[in-house]
Amino acid sequence: DQQVKQNSPSLSVQEGRISILNCDYTNSMFDYFLWYKKYPAEGPTFLISISSIKDKNEDGRFTVFLNKSAKHLSLHIVPSQPGDSAVYFCAASAGGSQGNLIFGKGTKLSVKP
Amino acid sequence: DGGITQSPKYLFRKEGQNVTLSCEQNLNHDAMYWYRQDPGQGLRLIYYSQIVNDFQKGDIAEGYSVSREKKESFPLTVTSAQKNPTAFYLCASSIGPGGNSYTFGSGTRLTVV
Repeated sequence: DQQVKQNSPSLSVQEGRISILNCDYTNSMFDYFLWYKKYPAEGPTFLISISSIKDKNEDGRFTVFLNKSAKHLSLHIVPSQPGDSAVYFCAASAGGSQGNLIFGKGTKLSVKP
Repeated sequence: DGGITQSPKYLFRKEGQNVTLSCEQNLNHDAMYWYRQDPGQGLRLIYYSQIVNDFQKGDIAEGYSVSREKKESFPLTVTSAQKNPTAFYLCASSIGPGGNSYTFGSGTRLTVV
């Protein structure tokens, strides 16, 4: 049973527009959420995170929104650039000694010039 | 510069042979992890270790073995019992368990022929 779901395998966006990547989770014990970006044949790199005590975290062009009641988070990229084309993984953790990150299956973002 | 190194980048093995993938980190991280990535499957946890001389099975540990004799090193052996060993393998480390961001290596692409 998937605890972290990214229901859109792919997303295509025009350069300069907003990219919105979505992630849903089922475990109400999750209290820390992260987004990773991955290029082909490379390891994922950390992008941005949010704690469950917040509903928004912003870092430059990247903003993560958390809706705890809906068990939903989203990553907004504004404006989108061709270099943003990659696979984006959502991850969640329940914290504590058993707090391994649980990853979604990823969404492949393509930003077209 | 601190980081996590996986070697080799590409590895070919004949069916029925065991093969060991190397993972070394100089970040002084206590926890280390092995993930497997397959198309459309996201990142699946194979094994993890929260401290030296201790490790735990992840979601897909069958056919794999690990050791954690040193803090810096967490090698993964893919045994002949692993039915579908061809995949992209990722090693990661974190300061500790419990919702910390992971640092990933650049991955090893294993192809079994």
